[in-house]
Amino acid sequence: QSVLTQPPSVSAAPGQKVTISCSGSSSNIGNNYVSWFQQLPGTAPKLLIYDNNKRPSGIPDRFSGSKSGTSATLGITGLQTGDEADYYCGTWDNSLSAVVFGGGTRLTVL
Amino acid sequence: QVQLVESGGGLVKPGGSLRLSCAASGFTFTDYYMSWIRQAPGKGLEWVSYISNRGTTIYYADSGKGRFTISRDTARNSLYLQMNSLRAEDTAVYYCARHFGSGGGFDPWGQGTLVTVSS
Repeated sequence: QSVLTQPPSVSAAPGQKVTISCSGSSSNIGNNYVSWFQQLPGTAPKLLIYDNNKRPSGIPDRFSGSKSGTSATLGITGLQTGDEADYYCGTWDNSLSAVVFGGGTRLTVL
Repeated sequence: QVQLVESGGGLVKPGGSLRLSCAASGFTFTDYYMSWIRQAPGKGLEWVSYISNRGTTIYYADSGKGRFTISRDTARNSLYLQMNSLRAEDTAVYYCARHFGSGGGFDPWGQGTLVTVSS
């Protein structure tokens, strides 16, 4: 059971938009920055969003992040088949003194 | 370019030990916190441990407390994870990652090294 809660799967058609939610508590998301990671099949995770809504260089602006209260959201617009992957949210948890991740969300581009 | 390369994984019996290494290049190693993160087969990400840039602050996940030790060697630009008393549930791909941003961000990640604990 992960500290952060994500939907197990989401799907959408190519060109459409999808959002992935990440729910936590005041000990983690509520008082810390959130990051998002993309893991393509058979590869290491890659940072997509950090500090709630910032994109590292090289990440297209189709990817966006937001945070409100104890929840965060990853948005992906103009979906491509190459976006099919597992997506994870992560943050620091003040009560656990640990980095915590969501259980991951598998994106299928139909 | 910024690169992290792990090594040291392999097959070990329950109760055994293993030392993972992560060679860093392309950035000033002493400027960055570093972490180990693992992923069991078919499962999600689990953070294992982090060490501050100078090695003065260390945290462990409960799963590794008392069994795992993280360390870094600035002269060798390397990060290590000493794992003792290994259990079947420690079987996973272990990634090293550089901390990025103000909290919970990791970039880049290494390619990972597989640790299998089995008799």
